[in-house]
Amino acid sequence: GAGVSQSPRYKVAKRGQDVALRCDPISGHVSLFWYQQALGQGPEFLTYFQNEAQLDKSGLPSDRFFAERPEGSVSTLKIQRTQQEDSAVYLCASASGGVQETQYFGPGTRLLVL
Amino acid sequence: DAKTTQPTSMDCAEGRAANLPCNHSTISGNEYVYWYRQIHSQGPQYIIHGLKNNETNEMASLIITEDRKSSTLILPHATLRDTAVYYCIVRVAYAGNMLTFGGGTRLMVKP
Repeated sequence: GAGVSQSPRYKVAKRGQDVALRCDPISGHVSLFWYQQALGQGPEFLTYFQNEAQLDKSGLPSDRFFAERPEGSVSTLKIQRTQQEDSAVYLCASASGGVQETQYFGPGTRLLVL
Repeated sequence: DAKTTQPTSMDCAEGRAANLPCNHSTISGNEYVYWYRQIHSQGPQYIIHGLKNNETNEMASLIITEDRKSSTLILPHATLRDTAVYYCIVRVAYAGNMLTFGGGTRLMVKP
């Protein structure tokens, strides 16, 4: 079956531009997570959705980062006024929900801010 | 969630078993041990998880010590495609709980 997909796979932005990154989770998955992975580091949690509700946004680094999942399926991570330190791979993961839910990751979007 | 300690890197000969250790001495009773791997330029891939019993699936085996303070991921017949960074993560299992990745072990499978 189809896994988690993300688009675009690569994004180059000039400093100050706004970007939008899309995540299509596995069909029927209730939980959706966003992670940020800097070069040479492990992924770090950004935010979590249960259906359309954003239940945890404790990992968002600043108010320039905004995520939404309006219909409980596709999610968009938006970064306003991008800065060079935002350059990273942004990973989306979805899970079926439940106690031992396993998170399945997409391929990520590699963002480069010049 | 408890912290884990893994070797930075390991080598393994193709066709041999790869044994990847993980120390999680502060693990609590309701925390599971999860293993993910990340092949270059791909997203992390789930491998296996367990609470206290040993687990096996089509990818690997997970051996957890009786005191649960450490575990070993075993790839029984490593191939070149198993070259990746392997992450051991300890996590309380409830919906919505994030995964906290450490540095992982960079496994290089050599011909």
